[in-house]
Amino acid sequence: AQSVSQHNHHVILSEAASLELGCNYSYGGTVNLFWYVQYPGQHLQLLLKYFSGDPLVKGIKGFEAEFIKSKFSFNLRKPSVQWSDTAEYFCAVRGGYNTDKLIFGTGTRLQVFP
Amino acid sequence: DTAVSQTPKYLVTQMGNDKSIKCEQNLGHDTMYWYKQDSKKFLKIMFSYNNKELIINETVPNRFSPKSPDKAHLNLHINSLELGDSAVYFCASSQRGDSLSSYEQYFGPGTRLTVT
Repeated sequence: AQSVSQHNHHVILSEAASLELGCNYSYGGTVNLFWYVQYPGQHLQLLLKYFSGDPLVKGIKGFEAEFIKSKFSFNLRKPSVQWSDTAEYFCAVRGGYNTDKLIFGTGTRLQVFP
Repeated sequence: DTAVSQTPKYLVTQMGNDKSIKCEQNLGHDTMYWYKQDSKKFLKIMFSYNNKELIINETVPNRFSPKSPDKAHLNLHINSLELGDSAVYFCASSQRGDSLSSYEQYFGPGTRLTVT
C-alpha cells in the first residue's frame, strides 16, 4: 500500500532561516507528488506539484521541491522563511495512472518567529 | 467567487443525532472528495465521486453516506453521530485528464464538526 512519511512533525525557525521539510513515499511505480499548505484556520492550498520532467519544481511564495526517485523523496525547501509561512505543510502522493486517490503525510507544523 | 464551498462551517451536535454537510464546486470539475482531518491534523480520504458515480470508498462506517445529486455537489450525511466523529471534514474537487493540472485537488474551507 502507498504511504507518505513526514519525519519533521514540528519545526521552529527564525525569520530568514532556511527551510527543508522531508517527505518520503512508498510506491514503486509512476507517482505524482504534491505539497499543500494549511494556514491557521484555513483550507489546504497547493504549493507545488510534480508530474514529470524536471525533478526540481518551483511553487508559489518562493517554495521549491526536489523529486529524487532513487530516494523516494520529495523534500520541500525555501531559502529564507517569513513569519507568514507559519502553517501546517502536507506532502501527498498519487500513485499510478487512473487513480484519483491522494495519500497524505501526517503533516509538519512550521512556526516562524520574527 | 468561492471555488469550493461547504456548509455549515461549524456544526455542534449531540451524540446520536443525524447531520448533513453540503459541498458545492463551481470549477466545472468532474470529481469530488470528502476528507476527514482528525485532531492531530491527519488527513484521510473517505469518499470520491466522479460524475456522480462513487469511485473511492475507504473503510468508513456505514453511518456515513455520501450523495452526489450532480457533479457540482457532494453531500455527506452522518447517522447516529459518535464522539469519535468530531473532526474537520474537507470537501475537494479535481478534473480528470492527461494535462499537468489533472488531479490537482482544490479544497473547501472545511466543516468543523463537534459531537458532545
